[in-house]
Amino acid sequence: DTGVSQDPRHKITKRGQNVTFRCDPISEHNRLYWYRQTLGQGPEFLTYFQNEAQLEKSRLLSDRFSAERPKGSFSTLEIQRTEQGDSAMYLCASSLAGGLSQETQYFGPGTRLLVL
Amino acid sequence: AQRVTQPEKLLSVFKGAPVELKCNYSYSGSPELFWYVQYSRQRLQLLLRHISRESIKGFTADLNKGETSFHLKKPFAQEEDSAMYYCALVPSSASKIIFGSGTRLSIRP
Repeated sequence: DTGVSQDPRHKITKRGQNVTFRCDPISEHNRLYWYRQTLGQGPEFLTYFQNEAQLEKSRLLSDRFSAERPKGSFSTLEIQRTEQGDSAMYLCASSLAGGLSQETQYFGPGTRLLVL
Repeated sequence: AQRVTQPEKLLSVFKGAPVELKCNYSYSGSPELFWYVQYSRQRLQLLLRHISRESIKGFTADLNKGETSFHLKKPFAQEEDSAMYYCALVPSSASKIIFGSGTRLSIRP
């Protein structure tokens, strides 16, 4: 296991098209997070799962965005009818929750989306 | 509002000089504070967390609740410290990370 992986690493699409990103977490991790990072900013939280349950969604996650983690393993993030403002780096992170202190989140390499 | 502020976009220091990356936070409860680092062409990774009270790669950070600060310090900078540094907090009873906008640290030889 080489850590969190994301696919694709880069995606160029035209405005109005749908895109889907995949994240494979570290195998024993039960939590999976999605963040978005735009140029010059830190990552911003989008949503997270504990096993297959989506426990929190940010207000940033408009109804054009949907995330799933059907079997509690990999996750997909779909953006429908993409807009130029969706251009960003989409980061996935995973962690093993259950201890008393905040668990460490391990990040993937990200998927860079460019909407033309 | 929960917010992390890193006032410096870029910090450039000479090798061997002390480094201090500033971080202030806004949160009414008791958050956990972290520093994340991203080296060139690498993924974001945890550098240190306040509850550990440890030194990683010579870096330390002290949580000052009175000043709501969590500045990152290193007494003698090394060239390999050049990277993007993000201060972050996790609110109590939550899991999401709230990141600052980051400071790019550049170490001059």
